[in-house]
Amino acid sequence: LAKTTQPISMDSYEGQEVNITCSHNNIATNDYITWYQQFPSQGPRFIIQGYKTKVTNEVASLFIPADRKSSTLSLPRVSLSDTAVYYCLVGDRDGNNRKLIWGLGTSLAVNP
Amino acid sequence: DTGVSQNPRHKITKRGQNVTFRCDPISEHNRLYWYRQTLGQGPEFLTYFQNEAQLEKSRLLSDRFSAERPKGSFSTLEIQRTEQGDSAMYLCASSLAGGPDTEAFFGQGTRLTVV
Repeated sequence: LAKTTQPISMDSYEGQEVNITCSHNNIATNDYITWYQQFPSQGPRFIIQGYKTKVTNEVASLFIPADRKSSTLSLPRVSLSDTAVYYCLVGDRDGNNRKLIWGLGTSLAVNP
Repeated sequence: DTGVSQNPRHKITKRGQNVTFRCDPISEHNRLYWYRQTLGQGPEFLTYFQNEAQLEKSRLLSDRFSAERPKGSFSTLEIQRTEQGDSAMYLCASSLAGGPDTEAFFGQGTRLTVV
């Protein structure tokens, strides 16, 4: 199972772009990269998923270099409501989430 | 369908008592997962159902824990003879096997406090 490493915490200000990088040196060929967001006392919420290059949705962008040993979640123009913990997960797209190992995540604090 | 629903949201119990939590997944989702999350940690996988079949249990799930998913719909997680170390947030998630992605939808969790 691939292990991910991400910063424990980050600080930002409203309106800034935030980039959270995740390392996954042992990622397997079939593995996809998925990011979840979690607010206090809430369950995690899916943000974005990708395999290579760039994926963009209405919430975020995910940049994955050619070697796929890392990925960067980009949140454009953050607001106070983006303060949350962000988890990077790597796993087989077969879809069995039991294989996913959740690390400590990155606690993002957005300041006014 | 408004998503994954968990009840109760909070439960305080005395050590040694039994507790049961319920999870109602998104109706068309055939996969259901239970996780446990303690403060400052990521979720830890406990067990997984595909339809009504419990296909895997984590070693974290001691004999005091049991989960069911009758008829492949809602699921219950029971903890017998609760201990203070059982205090945690218990999260349920569901997903669609064979779907285009691995997105799992989580409920809001049940926070258990054992006193």
